[in-house]
Amino acid sequence: SQQGEEDPQALSIQEGENATMNCSYKTSINNLQWYRQNSGRGLVHLILIRSNEREKHSGRLRVTLDTSKKSSSLLITASRAADTASYFCATDAIQGAQKLVFGQGTRLTINP
Amino acid sequence: DTGVSQNPRHKITKRGQNVTFRCDPISEHNRLYWYRQTLGQGPEFLTYFQNEAQLEKSRLLSDRFSAERPKGSFSTLEIQRTEQGDSAMYLCASLGPGSNQPQHFGDGTRLSIL
Repeated sequence: SQQGEEDPQALSIQEGENATMNCSYKTSINNLQWYRQNSGRGLVHLILIRSNEREKHSGRLRVTLDTSKKSSSLLITASRAADTASYFCATDAIQGAQKLVFGQGTRLTINP
Repeated sequence: DTGVSQNPRHKITKRGQNVTFRCDPISEHNRLYWYRQTLGQGPEFLTYFQNEAQLEKSRLLSDRFSAERPKGSFSTLEIQRTEQGDSAMYLCASLGPGSNQPQHFGDGTRLSIL
């Protein structure tokens, strides 16, 4: 079963706008990771944020983490057509094999 | 860094046949994971290897599934007597030593059961 939920399940915006995706999870975590998946391809790692971090930036990406609410958000600024993909958050639990538990993903479409 | 390689990319087979997938991880990565992803869902964990030892298996991994990593390098995932419900994308990921590192995924094997 999935760890948590992502919201929204689908998002369609115009090129140049910002896109925000949210993720909630259920257990205590070591870190939370965001991945991108283009249709029919594997997952590409975007950002990893540790449980003791609150915000992290990478280029046009900004990730926040609120461990008290067990939630995270991914912001993509100045979106481009090439950002069209599915985005998944994944949590790495404190104990165990560092296996990732994924949400159901957000399908992002950037309209030119 | 040549990335994680999976073969074949696509496999179409009849119900009841056996199939085997291969994963070649990043060479210095000692940890290897298999996940299954069905349409519209996120990947779900199947099994985990540290070097050649299989240390964890999901309840999703029925007795028709077997995975190996004989020399701690490449891994194979075999499904015996395939069923319609086995149709999915099978993803492999590898992870280097240390904590708080991202997993690196291959492009997966898409399995279709006729």
